[in-house]
Amino acid sequence: GAGVSQSPSNKVTEKGKDVELRCDPISGHTALYWYRQSLGQGLEFLIYFQGNSAPDKSGLPSDRFSAERTGGSVSTLTIQRTQQEDSAVYLCASSTTSGVIETQYFGPGTRLLVL
Amino acid sequence: QKEVEQDPGPLSVPEGAIVSLNCTYSNSAFQYFMWYRQYSRKGPELLMYTYSSGNKEDGRFTAQLNKASQYVSLLIRDSQPSDSATYLCAMRRNDYKLSFGAGTTVTVRA
Repeated sequence: GAGVSQSPSNKVTEKGKDVELRCDPISGHTALYWYRQSLGQGLEFLIYFQGNSAPDKSGLPSDRFSAERTGGSVSTLTIQRTQQEDSAVYLCASSTTSGVIETQYFGPGTRLLVL
Repeated sequence: QKEVEQDPGPLSVPEGAIVSLNCTYSNSAFQYFMWYRQYSRKGPELLMYTYSSGNKEDGRFTAQLNKASQYVSLLIRDSQPSDSATYLCAMRRNDYKLSFGAGTTVTVRA
C-alpha cells in the first residue's frame, strides 16, 4: 500500500522567505510526527498530532515554526522568515501500534536549503 | 550531555564481516529500544525493537540490550552490500517521544 509521502522532495529558498512542507500520512494512522534531521545529527522531534487531541508542540525550536493537521490527515509544517540554520531534512512519520510497540513509518523527507 | 550517544563511525567493512553498532543512554526511564535503517535519501525504517535485557535475533540481525549498563547494540552477521546504510538507535519512555542517536553510516564493500 501507499506509504507516507512528502512534498516537495527538495526546496531551495532565500533567507527570510516562508516555506510550507506537506505530509500525507498512511491512511488510517491517527498519529503524525514531524522531525528535523541535520547533517550528522539524529532526528530531532518537532511536533506530534494524535487524533483530535491538542498537538504536542514542545519540540518546535522557535515561534517561526508552526504546523497544522487538517481533517486528521494531511499535515503542513510552515517555517516563517527562514534562516540558514533551518537548512535540514524535515521528516514526517505516521504511526500505528503493532504488538507492544508503536511503529512509526517515515516519509522520504523534504530537503530544505536556505541560502 | 545527550540522552543517547551513538558510536559515530563511519564504518567500512568487507562483505561477509560482522558489523557491531553501539549506543549508550543516560536516561534510565527508557523502556523501548529500536534500531532504524536509513538508506541514502530515504526515511528511516524500523529494523528491530526490544524492551528486555538480552539478545533478540531476526535473521542476520541481533539486537542486544543491557539495561543495567545502559547500552544497546546491533550486530549484523554476514554483512551484504545491501546493508550499506545509516543505522539509528532510538528509544523512548512509556510515551510517544523517540530519542534518536546521531546514526552510524555503514558501507559494506563487495
